[in-house]
Amino acid sequence: DQQVKQNSPSLSVQEGRISILNCDYTNSMFDYFLWYKKYPAEGPTFLISISSIKDKNEDGRFTVFLNKSAKHLSLHIVPSQPGDSAVYFCAASDPHSGGSNYKLTFGKGTLLTVNP
Amino acid sequence: EAGVAQSPRYKIIEKRQSVAFWCNPISGHATLYWYQQILGQGPKLLIQFQNNGVVDDSQLPKDRFSAERLKGVDSTLKIQPAKLEDSAVYLCASSLNRQGYGYTFGSGTRLTVV
Repeated sequence: DQQVKQNSPSLSVQEGRISILNCDYTNSMFDYFLWYKKYPAEGPTFLISISSIKDKNEDGRFTVFLNKSAKHLSLHIVPSQPGDSAVYFCAASDPHSGGSNYKLTFGKGTLLTVNP
Repeated sequence: EAGVAQSPRYKIIEKRQSVAFWCNPISGHATLYWYQQILGQGPKLLIQFQNNGVVDDSQLPKDRFSAERLKGVDSTLKIQPAKLEDSAVYLCASSLNRQGYGYTFGSGTRLTVV
């Protein structure tokens, strides 16, 4: 049972344009959402997060939007750069999953390719 | 700050053999995680430690997988005996266990079982 879904395995955009990566979830108990970026042969790197009490969080070129009623979040990268080419994972945290220990549930990832 | 260290980077073994992976978390991070990432899928939690105690090992195949974290610092993950379906990247991560803070992952160990 996939609680965090990234339905697009891949996305290709032109340099300078906007990249939009989408993520859906089914568990209404999730209260924190995170995006990770992964380059080949490296571990995932934390990118940006958002609390369920917010609908938007921005950090430089990266903005995450959360629509709780639709159980949907998205990551916007503007402008996209070739160095952004990587696999992006959406992850969610359920505070009830283990007391105060924040276990993350990951989606399958979306491969973003930014073409020069 | 030094990152999460993992070794080896790559390992190829035959099925039914045993293998062990090592992880050294970021200094001061009390929480340590082992994740399994099969090709084309997202990381799946195998086990979570808080200091040297196990918090969650519900998805660890305990008939063949074992993990320990002695003295609340380094950790080892062992598979014995390995199966073909264990071929994956094994990621270690550590965190300060604060909501929204995010984990810091190591580079992982790529295991191929032939």
